[in-house]
Amino acid sequence: LAKTTQPISMDSYEGQEVNITCSHNNIATNDYITWYQQFPSQGPRFIIQGYKTKVTNEVASLFIPADRKSSTLSLPRVSLSDTAVYYCLVGLDSGGYQKVTFGTGTKLQVIP
Amino acid sequence: EPEVTQTPSHQVTQMGQEVILRCVPISNHLYFYWYRQILGQKVEFLVSFYNNEISEKSEIFDDQFSVERPDGSNFTLKIRSTKLEDSAMYFCASSEDRRLAPVEQYFGPGTRLTVT
Repeated sequence: LAKTTQPISMDSYEGQEVNITCSHNNIATNDYITWYQQFPSQGPRFIIQGYKTKVTNEVASLFIPADRKSSTLSLPRVSLSDTAVYYCLVGLDSGGYQKVTFGTGTKLQVIP
Repeated sequence: EPEVTQTPSHQVTQMGQEVILRCVPISNHLYFYWYRQILGQKVEFLVSFYNNEISEKSEIFDDQFSVERPDGSNFTLKIRSTKLEDSAMYFCASSEDRRLAPVEQYFGPGTRLTVT
């Protein structure tokens, strides 16, 4: 599984756009990039997943450059409730499941 | 929206005792997982389970641990003889069987295990 590197923490004011970048230099051809969110004392929650270029859903956007050695999670206009730890994960098992290996994540603190 | 449920939410046990943590995965999911998170640390993969057998396990998942799907809805994690270092939040997760695409895992709310 590809190792990922992301900032340990970030602060942002409410209403700002937040971009969290993750490095995954040894990503494999079959690997997908997945982001999870975890609130204190809760299980991680899937946010978004992509393979290349840009993916957008109702919660976030994921930007993946052509070389796929990094990815950026973009959260538009964050609110206090977006304060959480955000994990970038890379990997895929083609048998149908993804062994999810969490790193330390990025602790996002949204400030009023 | 369907969700993974776990019971109990908090379990306190004495060192050396056996505990069973229970999970009800989402009904049409076929892959099941257990993770643990020691307080203040990262989420660690323990085991994955598919078609009534273990697909993969981590080095943490030693002989003290076992998993079972005793019926069509429950998925359990048993720790045979608990140690102090087993104190952690244990998360169950499940995912669909989509063989040609990666799948997201749905996590339960966790069971906080405290070993005294």
